[in-house]
Amino acid sequence: RKEVEQDPGPFNVPEGATVAFNCTYSNSASQSFFWYRQDCRKEPKLLMSVYSSGNEDGRFTAQLNRASQYISLLIRDSKLSDSATYLCVVNPGGATNKLIFGTGTLLAVQP
Amino acid sequence: GAVVSQHPSWVICKSGTSVKIECRSLDFQATTMFWYRQFPKQSLMLMATSNEGSKATYEQGVEKDKFLINHASLTLSTLTVTSAHPEDSSFYICSARRSSDTQYFGPGTRLTVL
Repeated sequence: RKEVEQDPGPFNVPEGATVAFNCTYSNSASQSFFWYRQDCRKEPKLLMSVYSSGNEDGRFTAQLNRASQYISLLIRDSKLSDSATYLCVVNPGGATNKLIFGTGTLLAVQP
Repeated sequence: GAVVSQHPSWVICKSGTSVKIECRSLDFQATTMFWYRQFPKQSLMLMATSNEGSKATYEQGVEKDKFLINHASLTLSTLTVTSAHPEDSSFYICSARRSSDTQYFGPGTRLTVL
């Protein structure tokens, strides 16, 4: 089983749609969680951290369910500029604080 | 936000040559830097953790003698791909850890080995 698993995608949605991405992680001791965005042929960039209480940043809402080891990202009112690959990222803890990346979900917002 | 640079941004080399990639944290000191590799349509895979002043920690399956990592200062880590072969062609990305939880990524280096 992969350490971090995501929806396979791709997601093709019209502008203005609401889209949700899901992610599960295997290590129950994982300490912190993130969503990154990666544009084609570019480095990943932090979109938002994910907290147990859930958190929102504009049109983006992230949720964490530690009991189910499940993370989600909701994007409301999709824009063309939201088209990218969204990476679920988990810090399993430990001294090095390395990050484990999911394979990513490709989102294509259509005009 | 913090800035991490990589050099070169792309490189094409012949099989058998060695390639050095530099990763610099420009506005903060990073005791730990990470090196990732990303093949087309795949996610980032951590290759190694680079610690300033000590030996790098390599992930399982990554050959330490092939991928030489040096972290000589708090702002610079280098990755040398020795005797590169076409299968080493990939997107190499570094990141620098600023705080316990925050990593900032460099823009990546695209390596093509002919």
